[in-house]
Amino acid sequence: NAGVTQTPKFQVLKTGQSMTLQCAQDMNHNSMYWYRQDPGMGLRLIYYSASEGTTDKGEVPNGYNVSRLNKREFSLRLESAAPSQTSVYFCASSEYGSSYNEQFFGPGTRLTVL
Amino acid sequence: QKEVEQNSGPLSVPEGAIASLNCTYSDRGSQSFFWYRQYSGKSPELIMSIYSNGDKEDGRFTAQLNKASQYVSLLIRDSQPSDSATYLCAVNRGSGTYKYIFGTGTRLKVLA
Repeated sequence: NAGVTQTPKFQVLKTGQSMTLQCAQDMNHNSMYWYRQDPGMGLRLIYYSASEGTTDKGEVPNGYNVSRLNKREFSLRLESAAPSQTSVYFCASSEYGSSYNEQFFGPGTRLTVL
Repeated sequence: QKEVEQNSGPLSVPEGAIASLNCTYSDRGSQSFFWYRQYSGKSPELIMSIYSNGDKEDGRFTAQLNKASQYVSLLIRDSQPSDSATYLCAVNRGSGTYKYIFGTGTRLKVLA
C-alpha cells in the first residue's frame, strides 16, 4: 500500500517550458488535491477533484491545468512555466463524504523554474 | 486576520518535556481539525485529527479542541529530538467540503 505517489521528485524547467506532474493514490479515495507550498505562505490549494470526472479551481489556479484521469490519478500541468511557479508541489487525497475526512499527502515535487 | 493562525516559533523545549503547540481559527463553521508534522524537505504527515470538543489522546500526542474559543492545541509529552519538525494545523468545514485551510506552521526544536 503505497498511499499517494508523485512523479517526478525534482524538476528544473526554463521559463516557457511545459511539464506535467503526476499523482496517483491507492487508497480508493474519491477526492484529490494539488497544493503548492512556499516559504511563509503555507499550503495553498491550486485545484481539486471532488470525484472522478470533476475538477474545480482552488485558491491559486492561474497558470495551471489539471486532469482527473481516473479515480486513482490526478495530474497537474504547467503550460508555460514562470519563475513564480518555483515551489514544492504536493498532491493529496481524502475520502469524500467520510466523517473522518482526513487528507493524506504524497512526497512532493520540487520544481525550479529558471 | 488569517483564517488559521499559528505562532511560527521556533518553540524550543528540552528533551523529556511537554511541548504545547497552539492554533486559532476564524471560521466558526469549522468541524474537522488536523495536526500534521512536516520534517524539513518532506511532506506533511497526519498525526492527529479531532472533531469534538475536549481531548483526544494517541500515544504521546494529545489534541485539544475548544470550539467556543476557536482554538485547537497539540501536546507532545516526553518530547524527543526526533519530534523536531514543523507542525501544521489544518481545519475543514466537514464532510462534503473540500476547503482545507492550513496554518503556516510552528517549528518545534527539542533540545537533547
